[in-house]
Amino acid sequence: AQRVTQPEKLLSVFKGAPVELKCNYSYSGSPELFWYVQYSRQRLQLLLRHISRESIKGFTADLNKGETSFHLKKPFAQEEDSAMYYCALRLSSNTGKLIFGQGTTLQVKP
Amino acid sequence: NAGVTQTPKFRILKIGQSMTLQCTQDMNHNYMYWYRQDPGMGLKLIYYSVGAGITDKGEVPNGYNVSRSTTEDFPLRLELAAPSQTSVYFCASNIQPQHFGDGTRLSIL
Repeated sequence: AQRVTQPEKLLSVFKGAPVELKCNYSYSGSPELFWYVQYSRQRLQLLLRHISRESIKGFTADLNKGETSFHLKKPFAQEEDSAMYYCALRLSSNTGKLIFGQGTTLQVKP
Repeated sequence: NAGVTQTPKFRILKIGQSMTLQCTQDMNHNYMYWYRQDPGMGLKLIYYSVGAGITDKGEVPNGYNVSRSTTEDFPLRLELAAPSQTSVYFCASNIQPQHFGDGTRLSIL
């Protein structure tokens, strides 16, 4: 069955500490994975996608097919990174259908 | 550009009532989606549309209907509201990245 799992509901770190938000997936096809973010009082928006292998706002995520993971990492957390983060798996490039994980709230303390 | 606009933002319904959640986008996107998000859960796809006149079921379509008569609008209808439909509803457009609206918080009592 297709599934995206984010094991942590809440991750709390201090400013300047490294951050890793975990995402594991279950999918029989070739996965296409994304991280979406929702800042306070803002809309859900795309943060990054595995295909582009980019770094956005200091965040990176590497697709590990062997471990079926797509963890989101940042070496030094900032207070403005506090938000809700969702990992998503695209089921079909024709329809764009996504499966979302449960989400992880990142809280960066000063 | 307003992007994706959802109305209303909040609504309380009684069991058995019906209502339509409105979604409109001004970006000329062919693809549109409706999700629901229950507390502590991820977003689940209710219905989606790949263009005007074409709709299809997502993961949790029961109790809902949609139509897509224009590119801009993708309303979601609840015919007989049930407490299990209490949720936050998000509309999105574009195949990737998806652009989301602010959501509609719906309570059914």
